[in-house]
Amino acid sequence: LAKTTQPISMDSYEGQEVNITCSHNNIATNDYITWYQQFPSQGPRFIIQGYKTKVTNEVASLFIPADRKSSTLSLPRVSLSDTAVYYCLVGGPNAGNMLTFGGGTRLMVKP
Amino acid sequence: SQTIHQWPATLVQPVGSPLSLECTVEGTSNPNLYWYRQAAGRGLQLLFYSVGIGQISSEVPQNLSASRPQDRQFILSSKKLLLSDSGFYLCAWARDSNTGELFFGEGSRLTVL
Repeated sequence: LAKTTQPISMDSYEGQEVNITCSHNNIATNDYITWYQQFPSQGPRFIIQGYKTKVTNEVASLFIPADRKSSTLSLPRVSLSDTAVYYCLVGGPNAGNMLTFGGGTRLMVKP
Repeated sequence: SQTIHQWPATLVQPVGSPLSLECTVEGTSNPNLYWYRQAAGRGLQLLFYSVGIGQISSEVPQNLSASRPQDRQFILSSKKLLLSDSGFYLCAWARDSNTGELFFGEGSRLTVL
């Protein structure tokens, strides 16, 4: 199973771009990379998923280098409501359906 | 559209009492189902997952058990709760061709006193 490593916490200010990087050195060929956002007392919410290169949706971008051993979640122009914990998850059919989260990154957005 | 519900939302139980948390999924068939636990201020710990009726895999040995009596029903149980069982329990589902996209329920907060 691909283990993930993320910074424990990050601080930012409103309007800034935030980049959170996740390391997954032993990612398998068929693994996808998925990012989640979690607010207190709620279940994690899907943000974005990718396999390689760059993926962009209405809330974030995901950058994955060619070796796929890391990925970076980019949040443009964060607001106070983006204060949350962000998890990187690596998994796919080869993981035997076990999906194990890492420790997550606690993002604090300040005014 | 698919929905997932779990209950009860909040539970306060004495040490040594039994536990039953239920999770149901609607709008899909043969989902993969998961139980996670989150202690206060901590990350998500995978407890159990299931790929089909009656098929349960356990990640962490403990006094908890899980069952899947129906395709879209997943139950977390304990015969005797410990103080360390307190936490936020989350049920999630994924499509059977799982690529890591999970859909979570609202969560059940358990306090063992």
